[in-house]
Amino acid sequence: AQSVTQLDSQVPVFEEAPVELRCNYSSSVSVYLFWYVQYPNQGLQLLLKYLSGSTLVKGINGFEAEFNKSQTSFHLRKPSVHISDTAEYFCAVRGGTSYGKLTFGQGTILTVHP
Amino acid sequence: DAEITQSPRHKITETGRQVTLACHQTWNHNNMFWYRQDLGHGLRLIHYSYGVQDTNKGEVSDGYSVSRSNTEDLPLTLESAASSQTSVYFCASSDPLAGGYNEQFFGPGTRLTVL
Repeated sequence: AQSVTQLDSQVPVFEEAPVELRCNYSSSVSVYLFWYVQYPNQGLQLLLKYLSGSTLVKGINGFEAEFNKSQTSFHLRKPSVHISDTAEYFCAVRGGTSYGKLTFGQGTILTVHP
Repeated sequence: DAEITQSPRHKITETGRQVTLACHQTWNHNNMFWYRQDLGHGLRLIHYSYGVQDTNKGEVSDGYSVSRSNTEDLPLTLESAASSQTSVYFCASSDPLAGGYNEQFFGPGTRLTVL
């Protein structure tokens, strides 16, 4: 079985500052990793995903994440945030044998202040 | 464009009533999922289906049921609504044959309040 821990429930930052949202996972098999974003009163949409290959993954809206197998982490980063990035962010993992099922973290609320 | 829709978007019901939440997708995906979202818990899997006539229990399935009679729809039924089932419910679908290793596409959610 796999699990996901998002280390920060809330992250406040000022506009144009860099941000890192932390995600650690546990799995006994190979994993596929995802970051989703949820804007207020909306469903989730995919930001980026790691399947294999390069450990640095680039997604939409200037976000990127780095897969670190030795530290079992998949932290999300953006060098300069905008007010419009205010949202809740979810890290998710699919274990190699779980056939499509995702396990989600608890979510991190990113609030960007002017 | 293909999409996934949920109805109703908001629902208020009373304890003990049966409630059905609809989920319809036009992606032609075989996999469909129901989650509930509660503060501090993220998304938790209720039920899922890998195709017509296939249904499986997730981690929080007590008090819920689903049925899959066609590819497009996976309705979620609360047999006897309880206040603990007040939550936001999300439906999702994925294509098991897609190269994205089962990226899930989400509906807009249904906010359910049980009084």
